[in-house]
Amino acid sequence: AQKVTQAQTEISVVEKEDVTLDCVYETRDTTYYLFWYKQPPSGELVFLIRRNSFDEQNEISGRYSWNFQKSTSSFNFTITASQVVDSAVYFCALSEYTGGFKTIFGAGTRLFVKA
Amino acid sequence: DVKVTQSSRYLVKRTGEKVFLECVQDMDHENMFWYRQDPGLGLRLIYFSYDVKMKEKGDIPEGYSVSREKKERFSLILESASTNQTSMYLCASSRSGISTDTQYFGPGTRLTVL
Repeated sequence: AQKVTQAQTEISVVEKEDVTLDCVYETRDTTYYLFWYKQPPSGELVFLIRRNSFDEQNEISGRYSWNFQKSTSSFNFTITASQVVDSAVYFCALSEYTGGFKTIFGAGTRLFVKA
Repeated sequence: DVKVTQSSRYLVKRTGEKVFLECVQDMDHENMFWYRQDPGLGLRLIYFSYDVKMKEKGDIPEGYSVSREKKERFSLILESASTNQTSMYLCASSRSGISTDTQYFGPGTRLTVL
């Protein structure tokens, strides 16, 4: 069965600190996709990244970077030099190729960035 | 840009009322989804639709129904609202029949049932 675990419920950092949000997943499929979404206080989930299971290259987008490790079933998200605007709930999600239309979301990690 | 809109940001209803939550997307997406979001539980799928008039139950369909009469519109119906349906409701859409396609979300409706 598919499962996504975000063990960190809340993280609090001071502006300009680096912060890593952990995501561990379980799947039996060899083909699957992983996602990260950001939910700011306004409520709307904003898509950040989609990564397929055959692409283990790390990705960097500005201050954001993602580390995909199939060996440990993890897809961690790092924010470098955090800013107050990064304060949000972040969700990791998994879709299996054979999973029909279902995407499984983790419980989310709430990030507080203090000025 | 994909635009998913939901009819209300906040809604307060009484126990036993029939409640309609509306969602509209403007990108001709095939798939539409309704989730509820509760603290510590993440997002849980209520129903999804992969075509007009087609629907499938998600993980927690009890107490809900849906309607998709037009491709761009997907409605969630609470036949008789109960206090345990107080939650944030999120609508999403995705482009095609591929299950792994990116979902795009609306702003959410925070429903309170008194």
